[in-house]
Amino acid sequence: GQNIDQPTEMTATEGAIVQINCTYQTSGFNGLFWYQQHAGEAPTFLSYNVLDGLEEKGRFSSFLSRSKGYSYLLLKELQMKDSASYLCAVRDDRHSGGYQKVTFGTGTKLQVIP
Amino acid sequence: ETGVTQSPTHLIKTRGQQVTLRCSSQSGHNTVSWYQQALGQGPQFIFQYYREEENGRGNFPPRFSGLQFPNYSSELNVNALELDDSALYLCASSPGTGSDEQYFGPGTRLTVT
Repeated sequence: GQNIDQPTEMTATEGAIVQINCTYQTSGFNGLFWYQQHAGEAPTFLSYNVLDGLEEKGRFSSFLSRSKGYSYLLLKELQMKDSASYLCAVRDDRHSGGYQKVTFGTGTKLQVIP
Repeated sequence: ETGVTQSPTHLIKTRGQQVTLRCSSQSGHNTVSWYQQALGQGPQFIFQYYREEENGRGNFPPRFSGLQFPNYSSELNVNALELDDSALYLCASSPGTGSDEQYFGPGTRLTVT
């Protein structure tokens, strides 16, 4: 099975940098997603990491260490609109029929303050 | 714009009733997954459909069932509704079962009273 841990809540200041951590224990691993979800809305895709290392996309970067079962999402130059929940999700091994289950963590609610 | 649509937006049902939720996949996507998201929680995987067949299932009882149609639109059916079924139901479409692209619809907010 899968076990995914991330902090419940975080607060950061507008213009600052924040790092949201995610640790996981899985029976199989094929990649890690980060999604952003504003209150009452659907999750939107931010990143997908398969290999170890840092991937940068504008103000957002995501890091993965497969050996440590660890990932983080780094948000730079925080804006008020970045206030949202950030979901870490792990995709496991391919099951019969080709299906790969995606398991989500409970999410980290980030509040950006002026 | 993801192109994934869901209906209805909101729904109120009584315990014991049955409900059908609908999802229209993004053009070109043959795989759809359904999730249940309780308040303050992450989405929980219900099942996935690929080319009209159930391709994987999470830890949900048989009263949660689904269909996928030739145009790849999909339905989630829940029988014998319970209070704990109150949640946001999300569908997500992707171009394949192992694709890293997964686009969510806006969700259906189900309230069971």
